[in-house]
Amino acid sequence: GAVVSQHPSRVICKSGTSVKIECRSLDFQATTMFWYRQFPKQSLMLMATSNEGSKATYEQGVEKDKFLINHASLTLSTLTVTSAHPEDSSFYICSARAGFGTSPLHFGNGTRLTVT
Amino acid sequence: AQKITQTQPGMFVQEKEAVTLDCTYDTSDQSYGLFWYKQPSSGEMIFLIYQGSYDEQNATEGRYSLNFQKARKSANLVISASQLGDSAMYFCAMRDATSGTYKYIFGTGTRLKVLA
Repeated sequence: GAVVSQHPSRVICKSGTSVKIECRSLDFQATTMFWYRQFPKQSLMLMATSNEGSKATYEQGVEKDKFLINHASLTLSTLTVTSAHPEDSSFYICSARAGFGTSPLHFGNGTRLTVT
Repeated sequence: AQKITQTQPGMFVQEKEAVTLDCTYDTSDQSYGLFWYKQPSSGEMIFLIYQGSYDEQNATEGRYSLNFQKARKSANLVISASQLGDSAMYFCAMRDATSGTYKYIFGTGTRLKVLA
């Protein structure tokens, strides 16, 4: 149980275009999902906390107009990278908790974004 | 501020031997959770083990055990009987509740290489 599905796994786009990444909880409801960014050989950096039915909470230094997050249902959160630039190229990974208290985060398989 | 420190960027271990991956943390919370994740080269994040701050016994999950020393604020991961498939990045993480919403912060990771 507690499966998180993330699509696409890889995407290449041209500079200036927008890319949408979907994160779905397949067998549980997630009122909160988390979006992380990971540079090569580095740790996961929390970008934002996605809350169902309300605005996302962004971490300091993350541009909310550049990284649009929508959490329209209890099983779906989307991250849209708007007007992508080469420096946005990275590995983006979403996660969600299946329960409360001691529940761990369950992660999607990540999306490798390359902006040319 | 909450912080996770992993001081070993890379570790080697001989197959079938045990290995300890270090993790120290800093928090002013009384209630917190500590997690270990494995990230193979394919990128997915795999949950391994959890330790709650009030748990009196060290957590164990199969070949994984967590050496929790609360006074020292350390939560080291012990992998027994290492296998070639254990070669991966390992991240220590802490659940942070200080902002009122749960966030998970990650250490910089340790790359483990199991030698045949």
